[in-house]
Amino acid sequence: QKEVEQNSGPLSVPEGAIASLNCTYSDRGSQSFFWYRQYSGKSPELIMFIYSNGDKEDGRFTAQLNKASQYVSLLIRDSQPSDSATYLCAASGGSNYKLTFGKGTLLTVNP
Amino acid sequence: KAGVTQTPRYLIKTRGQQVTLSCSPISGHRSVSWYQQTPGQGLQFLFEYFSETQRNKGNFPGRFSGRQFSNSRSEMNVSTLELGDSALYLCASSLGRSGQETQYFGPGTRLLVL
Repeated sequence: QKEVEQNSGPLSVPEGAIASLNCTYSDRGSQSFFWYRQYSGKSPELIMFIYSNGDKEDGRFTAQLNKASQYVSLLIRDSQPSDSATYLCAASGGSNYKLTFGKGTLLTVNP
Repeated sequence: KAGVTQTPRYLIKTRGQQVTLSCSPISGHRSVSWYQQTPGQGLQFLFEYFSETQRNKGNFPGRFSGRQFSNSRSEMNVSTLELGDSALYLCASSLGRSGQETQYFGPGTRLLVL
């Protein structure tokens, strides 16, 4: 069974802190990785994607990928209360045209 | 550009009934994927369609089926509904040229089976 694992949390950080969200995947054939944010009662919205080893930055968000360790992470700098949501990590194997999702990490940013 | 749309947004059905959900992808996107989201299981892949052909299917019983039309709109059908089918059903669209593309989600259809 090809899986994506995330700590379910909840992860609680104070406003202005760095939130660190982690994800591991079991399928070494996975090529693309995505972070989605899902507010309660809403659908997932894309935050970032990453294909290559290393870091990718977009504003307050940095995604990190280490294919050797099969590890993906998302850092949120200067966390805001509006960042409070469930963060979903997803992996794509390329040829099977589907995303495999972790169960998500609930992040709470306290004012 | 308009996003992914899904209809209806909410549905209440009783056990044994069937239901059809609809999804219109982003203009120019030819791939539509369907997912079921429940609190216990998270987001689970149902199937993916491209150019009216199912390219991949998840581990769901045959009661779950889908199709795609020539305009890339897609429908999924669940027959003989069970209580456990209560969930948020999400569709996502992408260009469909490779399996590595970003998928964009619609607002979902929340199905309650009584």
